Amino acid sequence: ETGVTQTPRHLVMGMTNKKSLKCEQHLGHNAMYWYKQSAKKPLELMFVYNFKEQTENNSVPSRFSPECPNSSHLFLHLHTLQPEDSALYLCASSQEGGTGGEKLFFGSGTQLSVL
Amino acid sequence: GQNIDQPTEMTATEGAIVQINCTYQTSGFNGLFWYQQHAGEAPTFLSYNVLDGLEEKGRFSSFLSRSKGYSYLLLKELQMKDSASYLCARMDSNYQLIWGAGTKLIIKP
Repeated sequence: ETGVTQTPRHLVMGMTNKKSLKCEQHLGHNAMYWYKQSAKKPLELMFVYNFKEQTENNSVPSRFSPECPNSSHLFLHLHTLQPEDSALYLCASSQEGGTGGEKLFFGSGTQLSVL
Repeated sequence: GQNIDQPTEMTATEGAIVQINCTYQTSGFNGLFWYQQHAGEAPTFLSYNVLDGLEEKGRFSSFLSRSKGYSYLLLKELQMKDSASYLCARMDSNYQLIWGAGTKLIIKP
């Protein structure tokens, strides 16, 4: 148990569906992250929120829309996805984003399949 | 470029020692992380090196040479539960993490 919980664990959706991924952290951290993990590829940083403000958006397509209502919760809203978006989506948190040596606490991820 | 290079897969025997290497671009360096990820689970923090040398934590040790752009993770007295992927990540000058693709370690009895 890392203190970061993601739901659902698995999601299958069609290209016309709208779904949301949820992440909750119980660690009192102020920074939260969305990563995409594809097989045999490096983790790709998608979004960073620091004290509820979005500080990073790494050229992610607009079909992915993040939301951070408070420091403990992070959502990733999905709509009109493509098959190449199928991957493991990992949420992480840290005490404060943007400082050196800070370790990340990850959730177990949502395995997304787009048909 | 910003590539992090580590072997795709390694195999070792239970009870033995294995060294997983990681090479990276040396410019704009703010530390080197190792994470462990069991299949279907969250990556978990193993180590952080910012100065040259070897840091030991029980059966796991991590080494860094900043001038060579080189790190390794050393696992001793291997156990079956050590079968996992090991992710190397460099922190750049903007405190962004640049990740390797991970090394899948298979432990055989």
